[in-house]
Parts: sequence; structure tokens; C-alpha cells
Amino acid sequence: DAKTTQPPSMDCAEGRAANLPCNHSTISGNEYVYWYRQIHSQGPQYIIHGLKNNETNEMASLIITEDRKSSTLILPHATLRDTAVYYCIVRVSNFGNEKLTFGTGTRLTIIP
Amino acid sequence: EADIYQTPRYLVIGTGKKITLECSQTMGHDKMYWYQQDPGMELHLIHYSYGVNSTEKGDLSSESTVSRIRTEHFPLTLESARPSHTSQYLCASSVRGLNSPLHFGNGTRLTVT
Repeated sequence: DAKTTQPPSMDCAEGRAANLPCNHSTISGNEYVYWYRQIHSQGPQYIIHGLKNNETNEMASLIITEDRKSSTLILPHATLRDTAVYYCIVRVSNFGNEKLTFGTGTRLTIIP
Repeated sequence: EADIYQTPRYLVIGTGKKITLECSQTMGHDKMYWYQQDPGMELHLIHYSYGVNSTEKGDLSSESTVSRIRTEHFPLTLESARPSHTSQYLCASSVRGLNSPLHFGNGTRLTVT
């Protein structure tokens, strides 16, 4: 299974862009990169995912390096409600079975 | 917006009791999952299902069972609760395919005394 590495914590000023890095150096060609976040006492919330092209939706942008060994989640204008634990996940496929392996994530704190 | 519901939200129960955690989704998703999460720790996959009458064990499936008799319903049962089962249990669902995100419920926080 491809593993991901994220910094344990980050701070970002309110209104600024939050850039969350993730390393996934053992990713294989058909594995997607997914980002979720979890606010205390709630279930994880899907943010965005991609294979090799950069992606953008109403919540965030995802930048994947050309060699696909790392990616960055960008929250363009962080608000206090973006304070959460952010998980970078590589989706595993094994004989048609699929499961997500969640690591310990990055605790992002938005500072007023 | 995802519609996946877990009950109860909180449960305190004594050792040795049999308990069932309920999970239902109204999106018609084929795939459903159960994860266990201790505070501040990573999520561990317990069980998953590809559809009706399909169940698979995850990385942490011992001492619990699941069933999938209906598409929308995926209950998790602990036959004999122990203090080591104290944790948060998260249910999720998705459509089939690699390109489909999981939608999570808000979890059941279980305490076994």
C-alpha cells in the first residue's frame, strides 16, 4: 500500500492561502490522491481528489507534481471554519477491492 | 450533500453486552465501510461491503461482524463488548469505482465500562 507523509501540524492566518503538503513517493500509476478533513467530533469530509492533473473545486485546489510523488492542497482564503485535521490519502486497489488508508493527518489551525 | 446516518450518536455500555451500531444511507451507494478511530489517531478499516450479501474484513475486523441484507443498511455488531472496544466508529459509503469519494456519517462514540 502506498503510504503518505504529512506534517503533524500547521498554522495559517485567516484570509491567507493555506498550503498543505503531502508526500506519497511510492504511489503507483493507477492510484488517486484524495484529501479529506475532519473537524472535531464529526466524520471526515471529502474535499478533492486527482490522478495526475491539477484539480480545483469550490472548496480547494489540488496540485500534483509531475512525478506524482507529492501533492499540495490549497485552501485559497482560509477561514476559522477551516480549522481541522486534513488527511492526504492514496487509494489502494487490490484485485478489484478498494479501501482507503487514513494516516494521522495535518492539524491545521487558522489564526484570527 | 451526503445522507448517511449513524445511531446512536453516543453509547455507554457494560462489559459483556452485545451491541449493534446502526448505519443507513439514502444515496443508493453500493459500497459501505466501517472505520474505528481513537481520539487524535488514524482511522482503521474494520469491515467493508461492495453490495447486498457482500462483506469483507478490513485491517481491524476481529471481534465484530457486519451484515448487508439491504443496500441502504450496514449494521456493525459486537457480540461481547470489552473496554478495549471504547472508540469512535465511523460509517461511510460510496458509489463503485476508483474515482468515487467516501461520504462519512458523524460516528458513534462508544464507551464500554
